[in-house]
Amino acid sequence: DGGITQSPKYLFRKEGQNVTLSCEQNLNHDAMYWYRQDPGQGLRLIYYSQIVNDFQKGDIAEGYSVSREKKESFPLTVTSAQKNPTAFYLCASSMNGAGGLHKETQYFGPGTRLLVL
Amino acid sequence: SQQGEEDPQALSIQEGENATMNCSYKTSINNLQWYRQNSGRGLVHLILIRSNEREKHSGRLRVTLDTSKKSSSLLITASRAADTASYFCAPALIYAGGTSYGKLTFGQGTILTVHP
Repeated sequence: DGGITQSPKYLFRKEGQNVTLSCEQNLNHDAMYWYRQDPGQGLRLIYYSQIVNDFQKGDIAEGYSVSREKKESFPLTVTSAQKNPTAFYLCASSMNGAGGLHKETQYFGPGTRLLVL
Repeated sequence: SQQGEEDPQALSIQEGENATMNCSYKTSINNLQWYRQNSGRGLVHLILIRSNEREKHSGRLRVTLDTSKKSSSLLITASRAADTASYFCAPALIYAGGTSYGKLTFGQGTILTVHP
């Protein structure tokens, strides 16, 4: 799991509640990503950030929000607008810019499993 | 949109056998990466092959890339029970300006089971 931590490991959300998933990295990476994985499925990109104070929507951003106030941190909020939030959420980071041959290799955290009560 | 599509969806083999997984994609790529995921865990990067490379090796892994067919394959030789996992290909698509912006597109993966 490298130098990326995600917390909590399990998270329970009540109807109409916003919840925030934490992602922290100590790899000095510029870029960070949030993915959603449903059972038996691949990963779908929710949001990504190439640099502090900047982020872009991925393929399934509706019902989610992010912030990137620090290089090390990229929290994801699952809002009440996300009607089907039950999934496994993965955070990743990568070097950016002139980082060398493997700059686009992504390093993943251990994931947070979100369940709805 | 998911561009990488793996085949087969599931593969069951005996220890010592070779495992081959295939990946197809639809548009031009900067590079293609393969990742491994153990059940309930995060993904681990295995190997990256650039669009101007045709073959790459890393230990028991061999990856090929055919950009004319928009396909890649991952070969694991002399499989071990510990290789049991899901394997994902992730093409890094080229966007405007010729960069991939680090974005990867993942397929649904191949579930590999290696029986002792």
